[in-house]
This record gives sequence, C-alpha cells and structure tokens, in this order.
Amino acid sequence: GDSVTQMEGPVTLSEEAFLTINCTYTATGYPSLFWYVQYPGEGLQLLLKATKADDKGSNKGFEATYRKETTSFHLEKGSVQVSDSAVYFCALSTPGDNQGGKLIFGQGTELSVKP
Amino acid sequence: SAVISQKPSRDICQRGTSLTIQCQVDSQVTMMFWYRQQPGQSLTLIATANQGSEATYESGFVIDKFPISRPNLTFSTLTVSNMSPEDSSIYLCSVRSGSWDTQYFGPGTRLTVL
Repeated sequence: GDSVTQMEGPVTLSEEAFLTINCTYTATGYPSLFWYVQYPGEGLQLLLKATKADDKGSNKGFEATYRKETTSFHLEKGSVQVSDSAVYFCALSTPGDNQGGKLIFGQGTELSVKP
Repeated sequence: SAVISQKPSRDICQRGTSLTIQCQVDSQVTMMFWYRQQPGQSLTLIATANQGSEATYESGFVIDKFPISRPNLTFSTLTVSNMSPEDSSIYLCSVRSGSWDTQYFGPGTRLTVL
C-alpha cells in the first residue's frame, strides 16, 4: 500500500542554520504531496503542497520539490528561527477510491531550534 | 481554507465512560475526517464522514467504539465509548476544502483517560 517515510528526529539546529528534513514515498498512482506542521499544543497546519512532478511548494521560507524519479519530497529552509520549532509531517494523497483524498502521513520529525 | 473548531479542547475522563467531541466548520463541506494521534505518534485515520450516510471506518476502528454523527454539512461528532487509558490521544477532525486533495485540520481534542 501507499506509505510515507521521514527521517527520524529529533533534529536540533542553531538559529539561522540550514534545514533539510527528508521524506520519501511509495504510491501506486500519482499522489499529491504535502508538508504539515504541528506547533506545540496545537493542531496541524498545512505548510505547503505540490501536485505533480517537478512542482515546488513554498511557504514561510520553506520549500519542497516533488521528485518523481527519486520518489522524494524533502523539506528545506535556508535559515531557521526559534519559532520554527515544531513537528513536521510529510503526507501524500491519491484519488484512488471513492473517498478521494485520503491522507497518509509519515511518522513526523521533531525540529528544535536553539537561539 | 476552512476554519475549524473543536470542543472540548481537552478533557480528563475516567475509564469506562464516553466522551463526545464536536467539530464545527465555517463553510459547508462534503467530507469530514476524524484522526487519532497517539502520544508521540503520527496521525491515523479513524473514519470518513459524509453528510446523510453512514461513516466509513478504517481497518482497526469500529462503529461501536467510535460512533460518528454527521447531521449537516458544517458539523460532526465523534464519540469515544467505554474508554480505557489506551484511548488517551489527540483526536482531530479535518475537512477537504478547495481541492480534492487538500485537508485542513481543527486544533484537536486532547483526551486523557485515567
């Protein structure tokens, strides 16, 4: 079945460091790919998405490129801030069945940014 | 994007009791989803709720344990029945809005069962 694999956390960085969180996926169709962020004590927020190969999603300085050849959707940010400390979830969605758009999540990667 | 609220935001319950969680959306949506996030874990889909029909449950989740209502296009409830400590989790509702593939989430309900 479809699945998402993320790099394990926690990831600890100093402020202004470069961030990469790896995400790879397995899907039988042509999924849409997402990054969601969960700040401490809150629900999930959609961070960015990409719907087809070579699309780049971007938001708040974060970006990720849909790489079909490597089945990857790595999250990057050039300079992280303390306020970026959160858990980041990679997810995919395929139209597959009549539920359309069922989300499958990776295990989440905790990011901690130190001042 | 849709604005979603959930009640209660958190609760502490006794073993054997039931809790009903409400999810309210600021616009009419066809499909609503209920997820469980166990401590330190990722999200697992419990069921999909369409207005006017029975909810569709994922493998490992049953209606007797997690009954769902969907009385209209802006509201849904999830009940966690006969609770045990293993039910301690965050329960989140989400809606599909804007496009077939994109879901927006409520703030979650943090449930602790003693």
